[in-house]
Amino acid sequence: DIQMTQSPSSLSASVGDRVTITCRASQSINKNLNWYQQRPGKAPKLLIYAASSLQSGVPSRFSGSGSGTDFTLTISSLQPEDFAAYFCQQSYSTPPERTFGQGTKLEIK
Amino acid sequence: EVQLVESGGGLVQPGGSLRLSCAASGFTLSSYWMTWVRQAPGKGLEWVANIKQDGSENYYVDSVKGRFTISRDNAKNSLDLQMNSLRAEDTAVYYCARGRDYHIYWGQGTLVTVSS
Repeated sequence: DIQMTQSPSSLSASVGDRVTITCRASQSINKNLNWYQQRPGKAPKLLIYAASSLQSGVPSRFSGSGSGTDFTLTISSLQPEDFAAYFCQQSYSTPPERTFGQGTKLEIK
Repeated sequence: EVQLVESGGGLVQPGGSLRLSCAASGFTLSSYWMTWVRQAPGKGLEWVANIKQDGSENYYVDSVKGRFTISRDNAKNSLDLQMNSLRAEDTAVYYCARGRDYHIYWGQGTLVTVSS
């Protein structure tokens, strides 16, 4: 099974800050990595797919990079609505048994 | 408009069974893999199971293999998750989601509580 490890588990930041969240896979997953945002009490929302492709309608302050085992999600200038939990997910494995990272909670400093 | 609406959650005793349903609308269900994802209270997301467009392939996370069964009825635009031998650790909000690799569309979730 492919294990996904996110860091940090939690992060405090201020509006306007640039933040980076990291996701590491236990083996190479090429660029088969997706990022989701989840606000409290809501379903997850897809932000980035295939490591760096921005989902339609997602603000351009969100960006993703990486390949192989190491990936990052960057928010260039935090907005109040960005304080939420973020999850990475691999979509590489065959058979298609998908796994999520444990999540990163982004809180207001 | 794509909509996914889960139902069937509730309180069940350990060892009991529950059947979740996901009603799909706004797209052709038979064109997509479908997935169940769950989230225990205060915890992260866990992929549970997925099923191919025609139901010929399905896959499960190890912790539910042999207890849960995913199925679909494309004619009725419905996805199901039959959950047997439920355990306290199955307590979670269960989401259905469209797709196999990444999920643009999600339902609102249905809460399953396993407790005596």
